[in-house]
Amino acid sequence: GAGVSQSPRYKVAKRGQDVALRCDPISGHVSLFWYQQALGQGPEFLTYFQNEAQLDKSGLPSDRFFAERPEGSVSTLKIQRTQQEDSAVYLCASSLRTVAPNEKLFFGSGTQLSVL
Amino acid sequence: AQKITQTQPGMFVQEKEAVTLDCTYDTSDPSYGLFWYKQPSSGEMIFLIYQGSYDQQNATEGRYSLNFQKARKSANLVISASQLGDSAMYFCAMREPPAAGNQFYFGTGTSLTVIP
Repeated sequence: GAGVSQSPRYKVAKRGQDVALRCDPISGHVSLFWYQQALGQGPEFLTYFQNEAQLDKSGLPSDRFFAERPEGSVSTLKIQRTQQEDSAVYLCASSLRTVAPNEKLFFGSGTQLSVL
Repeated sequence: AQKITQTQPGMFVQEKEAVTLDCTYDTSDPSYGLFWYKQPSSGEMIFLIYQGSYDQQNATEGRYSLNFQKARKSANLVISASQLGDSAMYFCAMREPPAAGNQFYFGTGTSLTVIP
């Protein structure tokens, strides 16, 4: 596709349920980022992939959060045993290269997760 | 310490007037990129403008310009001739080079409302 695609657009989960959020980056983009955006806040970094390698996962809030990008394209963010504080918009972004500070991020529309 | 600081939670501007959105940043790396993104109510982050740390001139993109003051570590966004469609959240962001982690940091955003 032409842009970054995320699915589902909305997800309602019961507390304790596991969820999986999918991100399809722009074809050929090497870098992929996941962000968490709480209501009224800026995006907070979760994790970063360069191709299939997860180079930074320092932003994942707990070991209930897990991300993968096994073939260097599609990525999945999994949240186990969801809690109410996990409710947020999860944004995926990709960029073509890795080495230049001027590489802008292209964002998807996000997945809005609501944990009841 | 916050990497990106946006001190204006909300701003109002009259249609057709200019408005400046403030952003300060913090980094010890000499090579970095500064970005502004717009997030309308639909949720997608839209790239507006980029400024490199070594760029001598302020960046401009149509009605958007970036007032880059390196010594003050500020990168304010100027929107000229505001339009009703400019009403949105605006985020300042900084990208550090790969050696420093290749991360994108976002501010907390400024909500801009254009008044007819």
